[in-house]
Amino acid sequence: QVQLVESGGGVVQPGGSLSLSCAASGFTFTNYGMHWVRQAPGKGLEWVAFIRYDGSNRHYADSVKGRFTISRDNSKNTLYLQMNSLRAEDTAVYYCAKDSGSGWYGNWFDPWGQGTLVTVSS
Amino acid sequence: DIQMTQSPSSLSASVGDRVTITCRASQSISSYLNWYQQKPGKAPNLLIYAASSLQSGVPSRFSGSGSGTDFTLTISSLQPEDFATYHCQQSYSIPLTFGGGTKVEIK
Repeated sequence: QVQLVESGGGVVQPGGSLSLSCAASGFTFTNYGMHWVRQAPGKGLEWVAFIRYDGSNRHYADSVKGRFTISRDNSKNTLYLQMNSLRAEDTAVYYCAKDSGSGWYGNWFDPWGQGTLVTVSS
Repeated sequence: DIQMTQSPSSLSASVGDRVTITCRASQSISSYLNWYQQKPGKAPNLLIYAASSLQSGVPSRFSGSGSGTDFTLTISSLQPEDFATYHCQQSYSIPLTFGGGTKVEIK
């Protein structure tokens, strides 16, 4: 079955960096776009970033643009999120999610990983 | 950015009740609207995609409708396992955006 497993969360000081990974299995990773979505404690969902199936196109939320970088290694079936210049407001559970297609337009997220908690605090 | 507004933000209902949740987009998004269910401490799970298509494995008591700017999620007969938070999401334009969520609680 399709499975996404995030790792790399933890506690980091403001201004610090953290790298998240999402290991994918059960589907042809190279055929699908991938997303990161986050959820601050007690809050709603916020889309963070998207990468096209071949890595040729990426999009970011304004709140993370210039600080976060989404990437993928199709040979390892793994999605990444490099987070720099972290702020307290980046504290959230970060989910990776598979796009229903190769792009994002008109598509949906299915499935989602279990999430990994990132806490930015001094 | 397209703003997604869900209403109500929370509701109390009894088992067997018919429940309707509304999601309104700040501009037309055609039928590019998806619904997710999220239980406490768990990842969201896809219920409805493209406004009205039921995801495989999702019970038929869930249904979605609408197009343009106004959408609804209906649970025809609420079951104990349906108490959760429901989120709508548009995939018409970047940034992809979610509604604020609707928490369905037991009356």
